[in-house]
Amino acid sequence: QVQLQESGPGLVKPSQTLSLTCTVSGGSISSGSYYWNWIRQPAGKGLQWIGRISTSGSTTYNPSLKSQVTISIDTSKNQFSLRLSSVTAADTAVYYCAREWGPADYWGQGTLVTVSS
Amino acid sequence: EIVMTQSPATLSVSPGDRATLSCRASQSVSINLAWYHQKPGQAPRLLIYGASTRATGIPARFSGSRSGTEFTLTISSLQSEDFGVYYCQQYNNWPPLFGEGTKVEIK
Repeated sequence: QVQLQESGPGLVKPSQTLSLTCTVSGGSISSGSYYWNWIRQPAGKGLQWIGRISTSGSTTYNPSLKSQVTISIDTSKNQFSLRLSSVTAADTAVYYCAREWGPADYWGQGTLVTVSS
Repeated sequence: EIVMTQSPATLSVSPGDRATLSCRASQSVSINLAWYHQKPGQAPRLLIYGASTRATGIPARFSGSRSGTEFTLTISSLQSEDFGVYYCQQYNNWPPLFGEGTKVEIK
């Protein structure tokens, strides 16, 4: 059973960079034709796709966030990561990592990141 | 980008009753449509993909259908664990946008 777990700081100051890591267990991040995704959800609101990375390192980002986002993958550690630069209060949300092959079938439990001074 | 419109915003249902949720795409997404269920404090859970295929472990009371750009999720007999928010999501085009959700609450 594949499991995903997000980790990283729960509090980030405005204008700084948010950094999160997703650790995949129960299977190799390199196996299969999957994409590894970051999705976020502000409190009480809907889901927003941030971006994804393939096992070969090819990335696709949401155009609305493209200038802020970098997603990377470390297959040796079975992890992938999100960096979101120049954050504001609008970036406060629960951040999820997920495995996707079209639909997203495995999700992490989510981690709350608050942007505040 | 493709806009996904879900209706109704809120649906009040008694346990054991049938629930019908709708999702309309602003343009064709073929059958590349998924439904998710989210309970408070939890991650979304994949229910349906390919418009009508149940994901692994999803009970048969959940079914999905498609008519052009209109998609329907039907829960034949609502159980207590089925309450929460349901999202549709198209994955035909990038970005794979979600609808705004339908909240299913106890009547």
